[in-house]
Amino acid sequence: EVVMTQSPATLSVSPGERATLSCRASQSVTSNLAWYQQKPGQAPRLLIYAASTRATGIPARFSGSGSGAEFTLTISSLQSEDFAVYHCQQYNNWPRTFGQGTKVEVK
Amino acid sequence: EAQLVETGGGLIQPGGSLRLSCAASAFTVSSNSMSWVRQAPGKGLEWVSVIYSGGNTYYADSVKGRFTISRDSFKNTLYLQMGSLRAEDTAVYYCARMGPLLLPSYFDSWGQGTLVTVSS
Repeated sequence: EVVMTQSPATLSVSPGERATLSCRASQSVTSNLAWYQQKPGQAPRLLIYAASTRATGIPARFSGSGSGAEFTLTISSLQSEDFAVYHCQQYNNWPRTFGQGTKVEVK
Repeated sequence: EAQLVETGGGLIQPGGSLRLSCAASAFTVSSNSMSWVRQAPGKGLEWVSVIYSGGNTYYADSVKGRFTISRDSFKNTLYLQMGSLRAEDTAVYYCARMGPLLLPSYFDSWGQGTLVTVSS
């Protein structure tokens, strides 16, 4: 199975600052990569699919990039509602696999 | 807007069985591919099972032979029958719709989850 590794595990950022999250796959997944946001006690929410396409209703401050085995999620200017855990997921192969998550916390 | 509501979680002894339900609204379960995804306490997300719109089903190795995914078109509901439960099955179980329609890939709508605790 494709192993997804996210870094860092925790990212401390001040409101208004830029956050950059990384996701690495153990083999190429081309552009078949999604990002999700999960707040405490809530279900994940789809943010990005196809590595860089924002899902419906997702603000433009969220952007995704990368292909092959290296991907990045950037939040250009963190808002209070953006502090959460972010998961990446590959859908190039079965089983679908997720990274362990990056927690974005207030600095 | 698609909505999913899971029920059926609870405390169950090791070796026991439990059936989870996921009622959908604003879309048709049988016309979509649907999955169950779980999250153990403090851990990441793990895909468990999928039922394609055509009816084919697949399972993660960790649950193969113990769990069965199914759906009821009249009730517009997805199910997960879980058997031979183990402590490591303890998790919040989410049902999720897979998109896009023709090539189910990512999870575009999620339920709020139901907690399954396997413990004696």
